[in-house]
Amino acid sequence: AQSVTQPDIHITVSEGASLELRCNYSYGATPYLFWYVQSPGQGLQLLLKYFSGDTLVQGIKGFEAEFKRSQSSFNLRKPSVHWSDAAEYFCAVALLNTGFQKLVFGTGTRLLVSP
Amino acid sequence: DTGVSQDPRHKITKRGQNVTFRCDPISEHNRLYWYRQTLGQGPEFLTYFQNEAQLEKSRLLSDRFSAERPKGSFSTLEIQRTEQGDSAMYLCASSLVQGAETQYFGPGTRLLVL
Repeated sequence: AQSVTQPDIHITVSEGASLELRCNYSYGATPYLFWYVQSPGQGLQLLLKYFSGDTLVQGIKGFEAEFKRSQSSFNLRKPSVHWSDAAEYFCAVALLNTGFQKLVFGTGTRLLVSP
Repeated sequence: DTGVSQDPRHKITKRGQNVTFRCDPISEHNRLYWYRQTLGQGPEFLTYFQNEAQLEKSRLLSDRFSAERPKGSFSTLEIQRTEQGDSAMYLCASSLVQGAETQYFGPGTRLLVL
């Protein structure tokens, strides 16, 4: 079955340090991949997406992600974290073989930013 | 361009009561999705509409759940005879099917069943 794994439940990063959040997926074909961010009590905001082409994609708020087919990974990175980046981050894969775009999400990684 | 809106943002109800949530998608978006998110989990797909037609329902959507999108614009999600296990965040998303599709989410409705 298709699945998304985010192995880190919590990550703490010092403000100004770099960040990498891991995402691995299991899907039979090349998927569409997304990263969303959720602040407490809020909905999901799209950070970036990969459909095809360049495997390094740029998103909002200085985030980027790299699609690595050989590793079935789509890790999210940011070179310098700001306190306002503290939130929960969800990786998602779109299942396209059903005629519509059903998103399957990972369980999320909660990012804490220390001063 | 306004985003997806949901109403109410919070709902507290007693077990056995019926509740209804509303979602207003981004205008001209022809697809509308409902997801449910429980504590510590990612959102899970419930159902989706293409215009006014409900084309797919998850097994998570029991008979107590019903969703409508009567004119292909806003949508409602009703839960009858609520149970404590229905407590969750209910998220709505909309998209425009134009090649590759991107779903934009609303702020969610947080339901607490006592």
